[in-house]
Amino acid sequence: AQKVTQAQTEISVVEKEDVTLDCVYETRDTTYYLFWYKQPPSGELVFLIRRNSFDEQNEISGRYSWNFQKSTSSFNFTITASQVVDSAVYFCALTPLSNFGNEKLTFGTGTRLTIIP
Amino acid sequence: ETGVTQTPRHLVMGMTNKKSLKCEQHLGHNAMYWYKQSAKKPLELMFVYSLEERVENNSVPSRFSPECPNSSHLFLHLHTLQPEDSALYLCASSLRSGPGQPLNTEAFFGQGTRLTVV
Repeated sequence: AQKVTQAQTEISVVEKEDVTLDCVYETRDTTYYLFWYKQPPSGELVFLIRRNSFDEQNEISGRYSWNFQKSTSSFNFTITASQVVDSAVYFCALTPLSNFGNEKLTFGTGTRLTIIP
Repeated sequence: ETGVTQTPRHLVMGMTNKKSLKCEQHLGHNAMYWYKQSAKKPLELMFVYSLEERVENNSVPSRFSPECPNSSHLFLHLHTLQPEDSALYLCASSLRSGPGQPLNTEAFFGQGTRLTVV
């Protein structure tokens, strides 16, 4: 069984502040993918990043950065210098690689981020 | 243009109605999915089709009936729904690889159909 926990239900920060969204996961699989998706008010989930379990390098993409720590089963997402357009619900997700060809993408409950202008 | 298009965007139906949700992808993907998103709950995977064959059915009630006539189209047929079925229904697609090939791509999602059952 696998589980993704996003303990922060809602976060509000003032524009230009940095904000970190937490994601903790549980899985018995030794190899897996982790994802972050953004869901703006329009509804579709927008893919942000995929990280495989054997690559613990942190990643930075513009104002976004991700901190993957296998030892603590966490995959946190930081937005630097937040902007109003960052307001959305953010989902962390997990899928095992061992269950080849039949991925079970498990999502967290999401964190609603509001950037206050 | 997200590459995955869902219609209708909004649907209100009575409990005795029959309706269908449509999903179309233009990404050349070979797998398609239906997810249900209810308030304050994780996204729930309902059905998975790989190469037009259903490979996953997560204990979904029979009042939801999927259909995948080809790799680009996916339908969700609805009949005699309950008010608790009201939710956002999201379609997604991805590229599933075969044995010995690189692993799957991430899933691309449509904008969803907001379903209200009255």
